[in-house]
Amino acid sequence: AQTVTQSQPEMSVQEAETVTLSCTYDTSESDYYLFWYKQPPSRQMILVIRQEAYKQQNATENRFSVNFQKAAKSFSLKISDSQLGDAAMYFCAYRRITSGTYKYIFGTGTRLKVLA
Amino acid sequence: EPEVTQTPSHQVTQMGQEVILRCVPISNHLYFYWYRQILGQKVEFLVSFYNNEISEKSEIFDDQFSVERPDGSNFTLKIRSTKLEDSAMYFCATIRVGGAGEKLFFGSGTQLSVL
Repeated sequence: AQTVTQSQPEMSVQEAETVTLSCTYDTSESDYYLFWYKQPPSRQMILVIRQEAYKQQNATENRFSVNFQKAAKSFSLKISDSQLGDAAMYFCAYRRITSGTYKYIFGTGTRLKVLA
Repeated sequence: EPEVTQTPSHQVTQMGQEVILRCVPISNHLYFYWYRQILGQKVEFLVSFYNNEISEKSEIFDDQFSVERPDGSNFTLKIRSTKLEDSAMYFCATIRVGGAGEKLFFGSGTQLSVL
């Protein structure tokens, strides 16, 4: 069974600094998707970034980028120039491509605090 | 306009009562899901629904739970006899598959409190 692990329950970063959130996963599949979702205090789930496992190039979305290490099954999220609005829970998620149900498996989350 | 609308935003019920949570996705979405999140914990998969039937369900989704899409638009989660441990935020989600790839849209959630 696939699992997603986020080993950092909480992280802090100074405003304008850079922070990296860790995620590891376990799978025997070779093709899959990985995601980072943000959950602000409103508890709405918001997609931050997506990575296809067959792509070697790391995905980027403005200040957000990932470090995808397929062999190590690691998928970390880097937030550059952190802003107060980045404060939220961040969830790493996995989806097996061959899954006909498009089921997502989520990690336990990392709470990010941004200090002014 | 949000891709997925959930109602109600909050639901308080007595233990043993039935509750129905509702979700209205945009019409061109094909796959539908219910996830739940107990406060402070991870988002857990409950069930996926495609072509008017359950395609996958988790161990959490026992006989007390059911889903349906009765009129082709609303997607509902029913809990027949609520327990204290059913208290959680319940998220409806749908998949839209397009030229830019798939995207999983979450509703804003229904906070269920079982007393």
